[in-house]
Amino acid sequence: EDQVTQSPEALRLQEGESSSLNCSYTVSGLRGLFWYRQDPGKGPEFLFTLYSAGEEKEKERLKATLTKKESFLHITAPKPEDSATYLCAVQPSNQFYFGTGTSLTVIP
Amino acid sequence: NAGVMQNPRHLVRRRGQEARLRCSPMKGHSHVYWYRQLPEEGLKFMVYLQKENIIDESGMPKERFSAEFPKEGPSILRIQQVVRGDSAAYFCASSPGGAGNSPLHFGNGTRLTVT
Repeated sequence: EDQVTQSPEALRLQEGESSSLNCSYTVSGLRGLFWYRQDPGKGPEFLFTLYSAGEEKEKERLKATLTKKESFLHITAPKPEDSATYLCAVQPSNQFYFGTGTSLTVIP
Repeated sequence: NAGVMQNPRHLVRRRGQEARLRCSPMKGHSHVYWYRQLPEEGLKFMVYLQKENIIDESGMPKERFSAEFPKEGPSILRIQQVVRGDSAAYFCASSPGGAGNSPLHFGNGTRLTVT
C-alpha cells in the first residue's frame, strides 16, 4: 500500500537554528515528490517538485533533497515567518498521497 | 493571475441539509482534485475530475457525495443529507495536466460545519 510518513510531527526551533524535516515513502513507482507549506486557515502552497533520487531544489532558506526512500526539507537559519505546517506528497498514479505534515514553530 | 478560487469559505449546515462547494481552477488548468482535511489528519483524496469526466472517485463515499466538473462553470462537490461527521475543511486543487508530474495548486478551502 502506498504510504507517506513525515517526522517529526512538531518541531520548535530558535530563530537561526537549522534543522531538517523528513518524509519517507513507500510507493509502487514514483512520478514525483512534492513539498508544500500550509499556513493556518489556508490551502497548501506549492514549494518544490523532486523527480529522481539525488535531485535537490533550493528556495531561500529551504532546500529539498530526494533519495529512493525518503526526502528531506532542510531549513537553514530559519526565521519566525517560516513557521507553518510543511506537507510532503507523492504521486504514483492519478492520486497524490499526502503525509500528515510537520508543524514548525520558529521562536524569535 | 488568479489562483484556485473556492467558495464559500465557510458554510454552516444543519444535519440533513445539502452542502454545495464550488471550485474554479486556475486559468489554463483542466484537471481538478478534491481533498478533505480534518484536524490532526492529512489531506485525504476524494475525487479527480477533468472537464465533463470523473477520472478517479475512489476516495469519495459512495452515498451522499457527488462531484462534477461541467464544460462551463466551476467544479461542484455536493454532499446530500449532511451529518456531523462531514464537518471538515474541503480543498480543491487544479493542475494543467492530470497524472503527468505537474504539481497541484490549491485553493484556500471551504470549511463546512454541520450543526
